[in-house]
Amino acid sequence: TQLLEQSPQFLSIQEGENLTVYCNSSSVFSSLQWYRQEPGEGPVLLVTVVTGGEVKKLKRLTFQFGDARKDSSLHITAAQPGDTGLYLCAGDTGANSKLTFGKGITLSVRP
Amino acid sequence: GAGVSQSPSNKVTEKGKDVELRCDPISGHTALYWYRQSLGQGLEFLIYFQGNSAPDKSGLPSDRFSAERTGGSVSTLTIQRTQQEDSAVYLCASTIAGNTQYFGPGTRLTVL
Repeated sequence: TQLLEQSPQFLSIQEGENLTVYCNSSSVFSSLQWYRQEPGEGPVLLVTVVTGGEVKKLKRLTFQFGDARKDSSLHITAAQPGDTGLYLCAGDTGANSKLTFGKGITLSVRP
Repeated sequence: GAGVSQSPSNKVTEKGKDVELRCDPISGHTALYWYRQSLGQGLEFLIYFQGNSAPDKSGLPSDRFSAERTGGSVSTLTIQRTQQEDSAVYLCASTIAGNTQYFGPGTRLTVL
């Protein structure tokens, strides 16, 4: 079983603060994806990282894929209340594109 | 709408009853996935369809769970003799194989 562990599980910060969260595994993935999910909705894809060491930026969000393609980090600069949500990472083994998800990180940004 | 739709959005049922959950994927998407999201858990893969065939059913937790897809479009997930541990949000996603999976809003199932 390929497991993805996300940390921290819960994070509550003040608007304007920076934060970094992590997604770690002992397995290698062909790609890794980050999703954000809001209550009552399905996950929405934020980014896909494919190459070891890859860094992608999406406005104030910076995603990095580890050199060995086993882990990833998400850094948010100057967090906003609109960033509040559940952040999920998911690894793609390449087999039928079946995704293995972590348990997620619940982020709360206080105004 | 152009997105994935699921129905019903909420379902409350009594233990032992059968339930059917429906997924309407994005038109033209050949691949369809069912996942289950329990409280405190990540999304758990259930089954994958390519067209009307299900080459990977490895995530179905028991023989009470089954799914079918017709016309390469709509899919139905059936849970027979529901148990309390079946309570969860059931999510459907569709994609053109190998590309981004687009998720529906899910069906919240509560088994009393």
